[in-house]
Amino acid sequence: KAGVTQTPRYLIKTRGQQVTLSCSPISGHRSVSWYQQTPGQGLQFLFEYFSETQRNKGNFPGRFSGRQFSNSRSEMNVSTLELGDSALYLCASSLQGWGSTDTQYFGPGTRLTVL
Amino acid sequence: SQKIEQNSEALNIQEGKTATLTCNYTNYSPAYLQWYRQDPGRGPVFLLLIRENEKEKRKERLKVTFDTTLKQSLFHITASQPADSATYLCALGGNDYKLSFGAGTTVTVRA
Repeated sequence: KAGVTQTPRYLIKTRGQQVTLSCSPISGHRSVSWYQQTPGQGLQFLFEYFSETQRNKGNFPGRFSGRQFSNSRSEMNVSTLELGDSALYLCASSLQGWGSTDTQYFGPGTRLTVL
Repeated sequence: SQKIEQNSEALNIQEGKTATLTCNYTNYSPAYLQWYRQDPGRGPVFLLLIRENEKEKRKERLKVTFDTTLKQSLFHITASQPADSATYLCALGGNDYKLSFGAGTTVTVRA
């Protein structure tokens, strides 16, 4: 079956702009998580959605937001971009999003560069 | 606050040897621990999961141990091959709908 897809793969924006990233989970997966990966901070949890509800949120400012649609596809939005938002944004899907039997499957990521 | 440390940023080993990676954590009681592999420009790929009540898990040439008293997991790659060269990430999970990752260890296997 098809894996997790993320669009776009690469994005260049300037400071102050906003951006929307998209994630399509594996068919049948209802949980979608978002992570930010940078060389200095590693993989940091942004938020997790299940059945259109956000169940957990990481320590990121309110400029970072997300949503999930009824077909489990998810989007994340970053408003008023800052240079420090340059990162690889990874989306992961799983069946339930928790529990020791639930494996997360990651997409290839969206590389965001803020100039 | 919660802290996850992986022993070193980089590990260089000779082909055929065993690579041992360490993941230590503090201020957290995970229900399970996972190891992922990440290649440059790609998302992490799940390798192994070990639960808090398990001591050891194996999968082919991979072995992971979990010591909740020491708050440590060891990840071993036996008979290493150049194709094993990648960054390996440990991740801790509970019932809070998220994984917390270490910074990763980059393994380079020399032929």
